[in-house]
Amino acid sequence: DAGVIQSPRHEVTEMGQEVTLRCKPISGHNSLFWYRQTMMRGLELLIYFNNNVPIDDSGMPEDRFSAKMPNASFSTLKIQPSEPRDSAVYFCASSSLRGTNEKLFFGSGTQLSVL
Amino acid sequence: KQEVTQIPAALSVPEGENLVLNCSFTDSAIYNLQWFRQDPGKGLTSLLLIQSSQREQTSGRLNASLDKSSGRSTLYIAASQPGDSATYLCAVFSNDYKLSFGAGTTVTVRA
Repeated sequence: DAGVIQSPRHEVTEMGQEVTLRCKPISGHNSLFWYRQTMMRGLELLIYFNNNVPIDDSGMPEDRFSAKMPNASFSTLKIQPSEPRDSAVYFCASSSLRGTNEKLFFGSGTQLSVL
Repeated sequence: KQEVTQIPAALSVPEGENLVLNCSFTDSAIYNLQWFRQDPGKGLTSLLLIQSSQREQTSGRLNASLDKSSGRSTLYIAASQPGDSATYLCAVFSNDYKLSFGAGTTVTVRA
């Protein structure tokens, strides 16, 4: 398996523009997580899905952020409108989570810069 | 809310020395604890997962211990090599189904 695949690897945009980040989880995994990593705040969980259903979105900073998982093999994280403070590395991760002792597998991340 | 702390924030050792990385957490109601490695500009790679019922896990030169009652875990890396240089993060999967990460320990192994 190719692992968790994220695109794009880098995104540079101007304030106010819409940004869409994409993720393909590992085949067979039923849980998907979106994290944001910054130097100041470390790794923060934004939202996680189980069987394509959002379970916990309490980490989504505000209404400008939205996430979807239309099927088991694809998820998007959208920021509209983007702001400079959204600049961070955004990671997608997946797990089988059929029990409670399954490893979490991360993608390589999307480095977002909002100018 | 689960709080995860890693001390020290950074560590520099000569090659061959054993590494000891510490992780503490505030709520002992956990399912498991994972140790991850992150290289610069890359994602996280899971190294070891310790279930709440276990005391330790080993993989090659890596050994992780867990003392759930005191809220502590330690990652030992034996005979460190320059290739071990990276940031190591611990993450606790709590009974409320949330995974909380520490800020990490950045390790530099000098050749």
